[in-house]
Amino acid sequence: QQQVKQSPQSLIVQKGGISIINCAYENTAFDYFPWYQQFPGKGPALLIAIRPDVSEKKEGRFTISFNKSAKQFSLHIMDSQPGDSATYFCAASTVAAGNKLTFGGGTRVLVKP
Amino acid sequence: DAGVIQSPRHEVTEMGQEVTLRCKPISGHNSLFWYRQTMMRGLELLIYFNNNVPIDDSGMPEDRFSAKMPNASFSTLKIQPSEPRDSAVYFCASSAGLAFSYEQYFGPGTRLTVT
Repeated sequence: QQQVKQSPQSLIVQKGGISIINCAYENTAFDYFPWYQQFPGKGPALLIAIRPDVSEKKEGRFTISFNKSAKQFSLHIMDSQPGDSATYFCAASTVAAGNKLTFGGGTRVLVKP
Repeated sequence: DAGVIQSPRHEVTEMGQEVTLRCKPISGHNSLFWYRQTMMRGLELLIYFNNNVPIDDSGMPEDRFSAKMPNASFSTLKIQPSEPRDSAVYFCASSAGLAFSYEQYFGPGTRLTVT
């Protein structure tokens, strides 16, 4: 059972555009939602994370929007740059499970110059 | 500072052979995670340790897979016997603790090909 569903699988955006990646979860016990960025040949790296007590978190050009009632959260990459071309994974965990993360399927983002 | 170190980076082996993947976590980190990444199944948590003790191995696919952490600076993931469907990239990650607020730092991965 896939507990975190991520879409789209791939995304092409022009430089300066906005990249939007969506995730939906099923387990209402999830209460920590990180996003990871992975470049080819590298391991994933934490990009930004949110707890459900806030609806939005922004760090630089990256913003997480969270909708608890819909059980959905999304990553927005503003002013997308070619260096942002990577695979992005959403994930979720519960406070009780600590660092045991359930990952979405990933979105490959290509930013064209 | 050295990050998570994994070896080998690439491994090609024949079906039926034993494969051992190695991981050195970041110094001072007491939690270690093994993941498998495939196109079909994405990134899956196989097992994780805290203070060298296995906490949850529910993600280990079969008895052919085993993991050990004999000390705080070394862990192995062993597959015996290996099968073609084990072909994947295996990542090791470490964190300073098990609380959700502790970031997991991933190694560069080991690409395993079983022919």
